[in-house]
Amino acid sequence: NAGVTQTPKFRVLKTGQSMTLLCAQDMNHEYMYWYRQDPGMGLRLIHYSVGEGTTAKGEVPDGYNVSRLKKQNFLLGLESAAPSQTSVYFCASSYSTGYRDTGELFFGEGSRLTVL
Amino acid sequence: QKEVEQDPGPLSVPEGAIVSLNCTYSNSAFQYFMWYRQYSRKGPELLMYTYSSGNKEDGRFTAQVDKSSKYISLFIRDSQPSDSATYLCAMSAIGGEYGNKLVFGAGTILRVKS
Repeated sequence: NAGVTQTPKFRVLKTGQSMTLLCAQDMNHEYMYWYRQDPGMGLRLIHYSVGEGTTAKGEVPDGYNVSRLKKQNFLLGLESAAPSQTSVYFCASSYSTGYRDTGELFFGEGSRLTVL
Repeated sequence: QKEVEQDPGPLSVPEGAIVSLNCTYSNSAFQYFMWYRQYSRKGPELLMYTYSSGNKEDGRFTAQVDKSSKYISLFIRDSQPSDSATYLCAMSAIGGEYGNKLVFGAGTILRVKS
């Protein structure tokens, strides 16, 4: 039971470099989310998707782009990394609106990104 | 001011103690209230879910919501070392700017000593 898988788990970037985080889910969920988690800040929503081919901005979208070309995958891109983007990134998925029905988002194990 | 306030702790208790974790919020539109548990180096997992006001019990865990005070609590009875984790409260409303968004508290670090 893979659930939600994130790659890579760790990455170190230099300022200005670009990278893509990949999230894959095998639960046939419609909704997918990207959060970042910083000390004292909790989880903050970056972008989300309500279905294949759709994306929407969350609370902190600046500096990030996303794509949902396939239902099972949700990609988070950093075009020009900045030290402020040093964080732990979590992908999550839910069957429908998830939290309205059962409160359940299924999270990956996180991707730790350091920008020097 | 944050929409959801949660004391980050850490909270350290002896094994067998009753633990009380709390969150306050400012938006009266919130109707769905959740508690997630996050072990070190792992993603959060749903622990409890309640809709509107009232209590919900699941084994050693009880979630309470007091919408009049904008205050939610999670109680853990007979705490165990395996309960050591970060506990995140989360909440959402229907529609509007919150249509598809959960708002999380900062999380409280709990340590249960054996």
